[in-house]
Amino acid sequence: DTGVSQDPRHKITKRGQNVTFRCDPISEHNRLYWYRQTLGQGPEFLTYFQNEAQLEKSRLLSDRFSAERPKGSFSTLEIQRTEQGDSAMYLCASSSSDSTEQYFGPGTRLTVT
Amino acid sequence: AQTVTQSQPEMSVQEAETVTLSCTYDTSESDYYLFWYKQPPSRQMILVIRQEAYKQQNATENRFSVNFQKAAKSFSLKISDSQLGDAAMYFCAYRTFFGNEKLTFGTGTRLTIIP
Repeated sequence: DTGVSQDPRHKITKRGQNVTFRCDPISEHNRLYWYRQTLGQGPEFLTYFQNEAQLEKSRLLSDRFSAERPKGSFSTLEIQRTEQGDSAMYLCASSSSDSTEQYFGPGTRLTVT
Repeated sequence: AQTVTQSQPEMSVQEAETVTLSCTYDTSESDYYLFWYKQPPSRQMILVIRQEAYKQQNATENRFSVNFQKAAKSFSLKISDSQLGDAAMYFCAYRTFFGNEKLTFGTGTRLTIIP
């Protein structure tokens, strides 16, 4: 068990470009969450998967955002036509069906210039 | 919708002393979970302690304990015998008992340990 991993750890992109982040959950966890954390704030929920099914999306997740979890394993979060307001830390977490604890990854810090 | 409020942006404590971090929340539900998460500088968030709302007994994990006041919707974290490694951002979080398992976080309290 190597914990939740995220790639890349840092991403700098120009406004208008597309970016994709990857999250690898703990192997036996069937639940996966994406959160966004801006400076000085707590994480805010973006979306949630149980296995490969995306069960809920926050209103924060505009049409430019899309998340997938093919085969119920790793997940990707794509942001199209990035804007400066998208600059944030994107956190991934996973959990198992029989636990309330969410295990967080180190996050991907996105900077949009 | 549930909200979580942490009114102390920053706190400091002398090493080996005790500190209490405050958290209040708003919900219309009777069953739910409350958490304290710790986020050290440049490191990932980890769970410190968890409280089930249906349990009257306050949760304790080694040097960490909570004061859960359900009627007042208050959930404070007490850290005893503070250590340098306790320095971090501390987030209070709420999760509904049924349905969506998303966490709703407060804005955090930055805890500094003074040697």
